[in-house]
Amino acid sequence: DAGVIQSPRHEVTEMGQEVTLRCKPISGHNSLFWYRQTMMRGLELLIYFNNNVPIDDSGMPEDRFSAKMPNASFSTLKIQPSEPRDSAVYFCASSYTDRGAYNEQFFGPGTRLTVL
Amino acid sequence: GDSVTQMEGPVTLSEEAFLTINCTYTATGYPSLFWYVQYPGEGLQLLLKATKADDKGSNKGFEATYRKETTSFHLEKGSVQVSDSAVYFCALRIEAAGNKLTFGGGTRVLVKP
Repeated sequence: DAGVIQSPRHEVTEMGQEVTLRCKPISGHNSLFWYRQTMMRGLELLIYFNNNVPIDDSGMPEDRFSAKMPNASFSTLKIQPSEPRDSAVYFCASSYTDRGAYNEQFFGPGTRLTVL
Repeated sequence: GDSVTQMEGPVTLSEEAFLTINCTYTATGYPSLFWYVQYPGEGLQLLLKATKADDKGSNKGFEATYRKETTSFHLEKGSVQVSDSAVYFCALRIEAAGNKLTFGGGTRVLVKP
């Protein structure tokens, strides 16, 4: 079992550039979550999908951020244009959502983004 | 809205010391409660959970009891080791929210030999 896979692990870019982060959830999971972690703001939920459909995107900071899940095995988080304040570690997590019961979220190793 | 409050860190301890990390919550419904742990350079991992009042979750020597009367879920370990150095997150889940979790701010723990 490969777990949640994220790429790249590290990304350094310049302000104004487009950044795309990628996530492959665990096979069989139907929920996917994008988080951002910074020292100042801690761990924030940006958006989550259930069965490839965005359910709650209230955490997405602004229009510069967008997320897609074209199929059950792939999701992207895009920042365009990037700004230095976007520097953070971005985590993807997946779980299997069944009616009522809670199932553990499994986190990927994260992508450390630095915007210069 | 739903929220989780944790004690601020860092918490610095010597090996074999007793660890307590306080966690309190506010929720509109009847939540399930969790502790996640993040080791350096890694993503979060579920440490333990409790789904109803008076339940005790336990794992790897850590324990936490769901106290509805005080809306708390404090994490404890009787004798910490250097390998317990990590960031610990308290979280809650409301069933109506599916698998969405609300996390606290995290508490960094450093255990010195």
